[in-house]
Amino acid sequence: GAVVSQHPSRVICKSGTSVKIECRSLDFQATTMFWYRQFPKQSLMLMATSNEGSKATYEQGVEKDKFLINHASLTLSTLTVTSAHPEDSSFYICSAEGPGDRVTDTQYFGPGTRLTVL
Amino acid sequence: TQLLEQSPQFLSIQEGENLTVYCNSSSVFSSLQWYRQEPGEGPVLLVTVVTGGEVKKLKRLTFQFGDARKDSSLHITAAQPGDTGLYLCAGLVSGYSTLTFGKGTMLLVSP
Repeated sequence: GAVVSQHPSRVICKSGTSVKIECRSLDFQATTMFWYRQFPKQSLMLMATSNEGSKATYEQGVEKDKFLINHASLTLSTLTVTSAHPEDSSFYICSAEGPGDRVTDTQYFGPGTRLTVL
Repeated sequence: TQLLEQSPQFLSIQEGENLTVYCNSSSVFSSLQWYRQEPGEGPVLLVTVVTGGEVKKLKRLTFQFGDARKDSSLHITAAQPGDTGLYLCAGLVSGYSTLTFGKGTMLLVSP
């Protein structure tokens, strides 16, 4: 149980275009999902917390107009990188708070999306 | 401010050796998780610890949560090349609403 999927796994786009990344909890409902960014050989950096039915909470320094988050249902959150530029190239990972894990706050991660902006 | 100090950052050992990775903070954790991540993939949960002094074992991996819930360690016995990867500790620190990750420990086990 507690499987999280991401789509696409890899995407290459031209500078100035927008890219949407989907994050799905496959066998459980997730009220809260998280979006992270990871640079090579570094740890995860939290970008925002996605809450079903409400606005996302962005971490300091993350542009909410550039990284649009929509948590339309209990199993789906999307991250749209708008007007992407080469510096947005990175590994984007989502996670979902596991079922019944309010106490432990265990997060289950998707496989990640490698974004390359040319 | 880095709330979670993870060490060492990089570890290269031979197959069969033992190793320990540490995760420390001056703050108290409500819970702490250890993850392993392979290149190009998302982190995979290894264990969650919630009780001070707790010890959990997962085959050759032993996880310990400090009595004061401020530190944790991961010990691997007789490391194998398949253990190679980035090990991340992550915890919910009292007073914060989101998980905080350590910088990670890159482990390379050579045959």
